[in-house]
Order: sequence, then structure tokens, then C-alpha cells
Amino acid sequence: EVQLQQSGAELVRPGTSVKLSCKVSGDTIIAYYMHFVKQRPGQGLEWIGRIDPEDDSTKYAKKFKNKATLTADTSSNTAYLKLSSLTSEDTATYFCTTGYYDGTYYYDGVMDAWGQGASVTVSS
Amino acid sequence: DVQMTQSPSNLAASPGESVSINCKASKSISKYLAWYQQKPGKANKLLIYSGSTLQSGTPSRFSGSGSGTDFTLTIRNLEPEDFGLYYCQQHNEYPYTFGAGTKLELK
Repeated sequence: EVQLQQSGAELVRPGTSVKLSCKVSGDTIIAYYMHFVKQRPGQGLEWIGRIDPEDDSTKYAKKFKNKATLTADTSSNTAYLKLSSLTSEDTATYFCTTGYYDGTYYYDGVMDAWGQGASVTVSS
Repeated sequence: DVQMTQSPSNLAASPGESVSINCKASKSISKYLAWYQQKPGKANKLLIYSGSTLQSGTPSRFSGSGSGTDFTLTIRNLEPEDFGLYYCQQHNEYPYTFGAGTKLELK
């Protein structure tokens, strides 16, 4: 069973950057597309983007293209989300999640295993 | 982007009852819709994908139906552990998009 362990809560200043980590255990990270999802306090889920750790190819939602950068380190089985030029609008919990393989077909956009979430608070 | 409209936003029911949650896509997404459950202190859980395929471990009282633009999640014979937030999500095309969520509360 794949498990995702995310880094801890962050309190950061406006205008700075933060890099969140998501460590995969129970399998190799190259078996999955890694997605990141944003959830603002009391709000719904919003897809940020995904990375294929096998070739580092990425896809982003348009609104996050200049905000988020996804990377992966196969040697440590870890995916990263970097958020730049932080504002109060970036205060949220960020989840990492994997795509899903049913043994026959790979479902890129089906989000199977989820991390516990990493809280980011942007405040001066 | 495909807009997902989920209804109702709130739903109150009692254990043993059946409930339905609806999700409407702004354009056809074929059968490619997933449902997730979110509960405090627990990892988000994939319940159903491709409209009606139950993920391993999802109890059979959950069912999904629909195709094209209109989808429904039905939970029969509600158990206490079923109360929480539910989200639909289209997995047909980028960017993947979610509904706004339905809060299922104990009546």
C-alpha cells in the first residue's frame, strides 16, 4: 500500500517562497503521476498540477502556472511543490496525491493515495 | 476548463436512510467522474472512479451512475462513518476540476 508523508506546517512572509515535500513509501515514485491539490480554509479542492517523476514532465492548471513549480527526486522517492511570491490567497492546505493504476490501465486523473496535507499560512 | 456543479451543498440524513448527491459537468466528460470523501483527521478517500467503478475497499452501499454531463452518487443504508464531505471530480481532461462539495450531516 502506497503511503504519502507530507512536510509540516509553514508560517511564511508575504512575497517569499515555500517548498513542500511529499515522500512516497511502499512503492517507487516513478510508478505514479504525483498531483498536488489546494484547499483554502472552509473551501473546496482545487487541482494545481501534476508531475511524472519518470521524465519530469509537468501539467499545471492555468492559474498556477506562475505560482507553483513541481519537481521530483527519484533517489529519495519525494515530490516537491514550490510556491512563489506568496500572498494571503496562498494560505491553504496543500495535498499531494497519486494517480491510480488498476493493474491494467493507468488513470492519470484519478487521485488514489493522499497525503495528510501541509498547512501554509502567509502572514507578516 | 470543465466546470463541475455539485448539489446539494448540504444534506442532513439519519443512519439507515439513503441519500443522493448530484454532479453536473459544463460539457461532456464521458464516464470519467470520480467521487471522494473527506473527513477531519483522515486522508481523503477515493470512493468511485469512471462514474461507477467502486475503488477497492469502498462499501457496496455506495454506488455511482451517470455519463456525459450528469452524475449521481448514492449512499444506501447510511452508516455513522459516512457523514462528512463529498467531492466529485472530472478526470476526463486537463485541468482536472472538482465540484464545490456536499456536506453530509447527521440529522
